[in-house]
Amino acid sequence: AQSVTQLGSHVSVSEGALVLLRCNYSSSVPPYLFWYVQYPNQGLQLLLKYTTGATLVKGINGFEAEFKKSETSFHLTKPSAHMSDAAEYFCAVSPIKAAGNKLTFGGGTRVLVKP
Amino acid sequence: DVKVTQSSRYLVKRTGEKVFLECVQDMDHENMFWYRQDPGLGLRLIYFSYDVKMKEKGDIPEGYSVSREKKERFSLILESASTNQTSMYLCASSHPVGGSLLGTQYFGPGTRLLVL
Repeated sequence: AQSVTQLGSHVSVSEGALVLLRCNYSSSVPPYLFWYVQYPNQGLQLLLKYTTGATLVKGINGFEAEFKKSETSFHLTKPSAHMSDAAEYFCAVSPIKAAGNKLTFGGGTRVLVKP
Repeated sequence: DVKVTQSSRYLVKRTGEKVFLECVQDMDHENMFWYRQDPGLGLRLIYFSYDVKMKEKGDIPEGYSVSREKKERFSLILESASTNQTSMYLCASSHPVGGSLLGTQYFGPGTRLLVL
């Protein structure tokens, strides 16, 4: 069974500072990896995903994530936080071959951006 | 733009009531999903469907059932609502893995259900 661990349920950053959200997964084979963002009172929106190829993945709004197979990690970063980045972020994994491409989500990390 | 809509944003129901949550997607997606979202637990899969009239249990199906009579519509049913089913419910849809979109799920805005 797959599992996803997000370190830190809440992260507080200053505007302009680095945003780093950690995600580690447990899987017998490297899965597909996703980061989703949820703004207040909205559904989830895809930020970026890793499937194959380059391990550094760029997403929307200046975010990027790096897949490190040896560390079973897929940490999300943004060099400079903006007030609009305040949201909850979810890491998710999906088996490469699975009926319905089920996602397994981490517990989420809520980001607070201080002016 | 992919659009996934849910019938209600907020619902208040009483214990023992039968509750229907509706989800409609307009992108001809084969796969549809129902999740519940609780603080600190992330999203947990209740049921999913990969074709009309096909359904599979997710991680937490107890107390729930689903219906998919048409490709665009996926309904979640709480047979007899209980207070521990108070939660945010999110619907999602996707193309199957192997297609060009490689399994990206698109989410609706969610239904916040309160069971009294």
